[in-house]
Amino acid sequence: SQTIHQWPATLVQPVGSPLSLECTVEGTSNPNLYWYRQAAGRGLQLLFYSVGIGQISSEVPQNLSASRPQDRQFILSSKKLLLSDSGFYLCAWIGQQYGYTFGSGTRLTVV
Amino acid sequence: GENVEQHPSTLSVQEGDSAVIKCTYSDSASNYFPWYKQELGKRPQLIIDIRSNVGEKKDQRIAVTLNKTAKHFSLHITETQPEDSAVYFCAASPYNTDKLIFGTGTRLQVFP
Repeated sequence: SQTIHQWPATLVQPVGSPLSLECTVEGTSNPNLYWYRQAAGRGLQLLFYSVGIGQISSEVPQNLSASRPQDRQFILSSKKLLLSDSGFYLCAWIGQQYGYTFGSGTRLTVV
Repeated sequence: GENVEQHPSTLSVQEGDSAVIKCTYSDSASNYFPWYKQELGKRPQLIIDIRSNVGEKKDQRIAVTLNKTAKHFSLHITETQPEDSAVYFCAASPYNTDKLIFGTGTRLQVFP
């Protein structure tokens, strides 16, 4: 079966520290992968998407970057976190059915 | 690029009543419109979707309508129940992409 894994579930990081969030997909090959951020009480903002290894498209300029080192792995990173980077980060992919399947999310609090 | 607006931001209904959430989109070439339900602290889950070649789709108590001319689509929930309480997001997918552009969400509260 096809599943999507995302970790960690929660993270508290100080301002200026680095960040690495990982997302992996099982049961499929060459998926389109997406990173979304949801600020508190807000909608879902598309940050990055990737159609293949090493292929990253950025939707909004920001303090974050993304990488796709392997077909089923998508990583969200930052060299120095800002307070405004706090939020709920969701990885997603297009599954067998129409629409996205989201990972369980990472709640990031920058303090 | 595509822009999706969603109204209302909050909606309170009595159990058994109907709830309607409306979205408008800007890109007339968008051709796929899903709706997601997000319970508190959880990931969004797809509840229903519609493609641009269909005007209406129904799944038990949930229905979605699409008006391509006016570029708006709506979610209809009938006979609401307390477990319908959640945040609902609409989204639109621009033509020839897999990207989803989301609305800002509607917090639905169903009171017993």
